[in-house]
Amino acid sequence: DAGVIQSPRHEVTEMGQEVTLRCKPISGHDYLFWYRQTMMRGLELLIYFNNNVPIDDSGMPEDRFSAKMPNASFSTLKIQPSEPRDSAVYFCASKRGGRDEQFFGPGTRLTVL
Amino acid sequence: AQKITQTQPGMFVQEKEAVTLDCTYDTSDQSYGLFWYKQPSSGEMIFLIYQGSYDEQNATEGRYSLNFQKARKSANLVISASQLGDSAMYFCAMKGWTDKLIFGTGTRLQVFP
Repeated sequence: DAGVIQSPRHEVTEMGQEVTLRCKPISGHDYLFWYRQTMMRGLELLIYFNNNVPIDDSGMPEDRFSAKMPNASFSTLKIQPSEPRDSAVYFCASKRGGRDEQFFGPGTRLTVL
Repeated sequence: AQKITQTQPGMFVQEKEAVTLDCTYDTSDQSYGLFWYKQPSSGEMIFLIYQGSYDEQNATEGRYSLNFQKARKSANLVISASQLGDSAMYFCAMKGWTDKLIFGTGTRLQVFP
């Protein structure tokens, strides 16, 4: 079975540019999570969805960040405008309702110059 | 508020020996879950094992077991018969009544021949 799929795997952009990260959860999973990993802050939850509806977005840093889940098999995390401090690895994870285990994608390494 | 503490920044173990990675937690939730993830140098987050707060038996998954001591609020990971491929960062995480995972700072395990 395919795991969580993220694209791109690496993204290098310049400050001020728009960045869009993409995620396809595991088929049949109705929860989707976006996490960010940095050296300073470790792993932290940004937002999560249940049945395509945002449930908790308290971790979204500021208005420059937005996330959408237009259908059960696709989600985006957008940063506009990007800043150097957004440089991090962004993980998408998914889980099935009724279960607690979250399965992570390979991550997107974002570098903002 | 929930908190996960991993006090061992790094651990060394010889191949074929067992190793224990420490994790303590704090939460006011009555129902919660504890997780361990492995992050190899390639960067992906690999789910290892899960323990629910009401589970009476310690969780085991192959060479991994979770030593859950509720009164002490500890959830240590035990890896038996270490292999060179076990060298990685290991993260302890927890969830409370929501699905948000809180992660510890991680322990870097190095397995030597």
